[in-house]
This record gives sequence, structure tokens and C-alpha cells, in this order.
Amino acid sequence: DAKTTQPTSMDCAEGRAANLPCNHSTISGNEYVYWYRQIHSQGPQYIIHGLKNNETNEMASLIITEDRKSSTLILPHATLRDTAVYYCIVSDSGGSNYKLTFGKGTLLTVNP
Amino acid sequence: GAVVSQHPSWVICKSGTSVKIECRSLDFQATTMFWYRQFPKQSLMLMATSNEGSKATYEQGVEKDKFLINHASLTLSTLTVTSAHPEDSSFYICSAFFSGSPYEQYFGPGTRLTVT
Repeated sequence: DAKTTQPTSMDCAEGRAANLPCNHSTISGNEYVYWYRQIHSQGPQYIIHGLKNNETNEMASLIITEDRKSSTLILPHATLRDTAVYYCIVSDSGGSNYKLTFGKGTLLTVNP
Repeated sequence: GAVVSQHPSWVICKSGTSVKIECRSLDFQATTMFWYRQFPKQSLMLMATSNEGSKATYEQGVEKDKFLINHASLTLSTLTVTSAHPEDSSFYICSAFFSGSPYEQYFGPGTRLTVT
């Protein structure tokens, strides 16, 4: 059963912020929200993760709602190289035993 | 950041032969590696978890005798597709867990296998 729900595709203009939503209404208390992306024919790339609080790194920001049932990944200034499939994944806390179950993700197309 | 490599990047083999794919962590030791398979226009599917020095743990529906995994060192895991058939043609991707960054898996670039 899918643990996350994401839109199939989204478009964004180059230079604008890309906001990618994710629903995870059945998330449990010890599960983190992870975001990875996969550029065509490459291996996935880690972007960011969070538990409760909003997080920011050099790539993106992650906004998690207070009830933790949904989150939004924000790419502040999208470039053409950000065109990729973005996966929102919930998983137990980190460590060698945590597995990533990939859903279908959102294909983000950044247009010039 | 930590780097994971795969070799070969692509391979074509004939039906019935075996193919070995290598996954290496280049600048860190990986006690755990994961193997995924991705068919065209589909998402990644976890095949197995590879632990150094012990037997791999396979996901339900993955034939362990067909997909042999060996994790003989802290920097190398291999996946051997035995008696390959055209339906095994896929994109195989490995990832490695780095204990210094426990919330992040590092993925290799993938290996494109085509069985003719």
C-alpha cells in the first residue's frame, strides 16, 4: 500500500520557486519524511529529510504540517537541471535497517 | 559527499548467460548496501538488502537463486543475474548506507542490463 500520495506531474518556470506537495496521512510517530529525486537514467539523489520541524539545506526547504499528515518540498529558485522525478518517502528512523519504498513520485519539469 | 560507483554502466548479454554487476563505495565503508531494479517508466523496487559478511535479505517475490548477492568487503557488493532472460532487462541501481550520515542513502549511477 502506498504510504505517500504525490501529484503525477508539475511544471515550473525557471527561476521561480517549485513547491511539491506530498500527503502522508498514515505516517506514524517514528517515521521521517524523506525527499529524493531522480534525474533521467541516473541513480536517485538525497535532497532532505525531516521529522516534525521544518528543515532547510543548500538544496531545498521542507515544510511539514503540524499534524504531520502532509509536507511540501520547496526548491526556491528552480533551474532547468532541477527537472527530475521527485520522490516523497516515509520511513523509520535512520540507520542500516531503514528501507526506502519508492512510490511513483512527481515529475517536475522546469521550463525556460 | 559520499560516492557510490557501479560497473558496468551498461551491459548486453545473451539469454541464458550470467551477468555480474559491481557496486562500490569509493570513500567510505558501507556495512549495508541495497539493490533496486527499475523498469522503464516505473519506480524503483527494492530487491534485497546486502550486509557485509552475512547473507543478503531478499524482498518478497525476488528469487534469491537467480539474483545472487555477495557483500564480501565493506566497500564492495556484487549482484549476479544468473541465467538471464529478456524479462530481466532493466535498470539496476545500488545504494549504500553510510553510518556517518544515518539518514541518507547514497545511490550509484545504475547499470542498464539488456538481455537479448
